[in-house]
Amino acid sequence: GAVVSQHPSWVICKSGTSVKIECRSLDFQATTMFWYRQFPKQSLMLMATSNEGSKATYEQGVEKDKFLINHASLTLSTLTVTSAHPEDSSFYICSARDVERGGYEQYFGPGTRLTVT
Amino acid sequence: GENVEQHPSTLSVQEGDSAVIKCTYSDSASNYFPWYKQELGKRPQLIIDIRSNVGEKKDQRIAVTLNKTAKHFSLHITETQPEDSAVYFCAALVLGATNKLIFGTGTLLAVQP
Repeated sequence: GAVVSQHPSWVICKSGTSVKIECRSLDFQATTMFWYRQFPKQSLMLMATSNEGSKATYEQGVEKDKFLINHASLTLSTLTVTSAHPEDSSFYICSARDVERGGYEQYFGPGTRLTVT
Repeated sequence: GENVEQHPSTLSVQEGDSAVIKCTYSDSASNYFPWYKQELGKRPQLIIDIRSNVGEKKDQRIAVTLNKTAKHFSLHITETQPEDSAVYFCAALVLGATNKLIFGTGTLLAVQP
């Protein structure tokens, strides 16, 4: 149980285009999902917290107009990287918390490797 | 702001030896401390976690200790095996509207056969 999927697993896009990444909780409901970015040989940096039915909470320094987050249902959150540039190339990982199970544990998706050329 | 420091950044041990990774957190209200193992290009996997009402927790070869007064927690891996080689991250929960995790900087563990 507690499986989180992400799509796509990898994507290559041209500079200036937008890319959408999906995060789904497959067998549980998640009112809260988290989006992280991880550069090579670095730690996971929280970008924003996605709340079902409300606006996302962004961490300091993360541009909300560039990284659009939508959490339209209890099983799906999307991250759209708008006007992507090479410096946005990174590993994007989502996680979700199980509403019914409670507690603080987060279940991580497999990640999406974004390369902007 | 909230911060989690992790040491060492790299650790090389011989197979069968023990490995210890240490973390320090800044938010005294934190009450949940998970440890993750991440292999290259993969998702972080929870290997053990501890809550603030417990000082130690063990699961086979893995143990975590917590010193709330000093705001320190440590991961102990005994009888290391080559398949333990990976990057390990500690994290601390920051209580608030979102109850978010703040991650340490990671430790690259290499177990030499």
